[in-house]
Amino acid sequence: AQSVTQPDIHITVSEGASLELRCNYSYGATPYLFWYVQSPGQGLQLLLKYFSGDTLVQGIKGFEAEFKRSQSSFNLRKPSVHWSDAAEYFCAVRNGNQFYFGTGTSLTVIP
Amino acid sequence: EPEVTQTPSHQVTQMGQEVILRCVPISNHLYFYWYRQILGQKVEFLVSFYNNEISEKSEIFDDQFSVERPDGSNFTLKIRSTKLEDSAMYFCASGAMAVRTDTQYFGPGTRLTVL
Repeated sequence: AQSVTQPDIHITVSEGASLELRCNYSYGATPYLFWYVQSPGQGLQLLLKYFSGDTLVQGIKGFEAEFKRSQSSFNLRKPSVHWSDAAEYFCAVRNGNQFYFGTGTSLTVIP
Repeated sequence: EPEVTQTPSHQVTQMGQEVILRCVPISNHLYFYWYRQILGQKVEFLVSFYNNEISEKSEIFDDQFSVERPDGSNFTLKIRSTKLEDSAMYFCASGAMAVRTDTQYFGPGTRLTVL
């Protein structure tokens, strides 16, 4: 069965520091993977997605993610975090019409 | 940039009452979805809707739930007789296509509190 695990419930980083949010998936076939971000009071905004091809995908707001099939991972990274990046981040895998989400990682950015 | 909108942002209701959550999907999208997120838990799929009928639904989507596209712009989720455990954030989403590579665009959510 398909599932997504985000091991880190909450992460705190200093502004300007690098960031990596972990995501592990369980899926029988080629996964279609997504990262969404949710700021307070906002909807889920798509950051990036992976379908095939280059395993390093670039997204909006300076984010990137790397698909590693051998590790069943799709970790999100950003080289230098900004205070406005504080939000909830969700990894998801699509199966048919359904998205399966992780429980989310809450990011706090300290000055 | 077009976006999905949802109203109300917060709904408080008494147990046993009916509620209708409203969504306006992106205008040229054809596929519509509802998800919910109970506090502290995962975002869970409820139902997908295309061509005026349900195309897929989860185990959560039982007989107390229904969806409707009453006109060309709105997409609603009705809960007939709310229970305490229905308290959650409900997200509407829409997509242009149903293919696996398509993105679903999510609204800001409606927080439902059942007392």
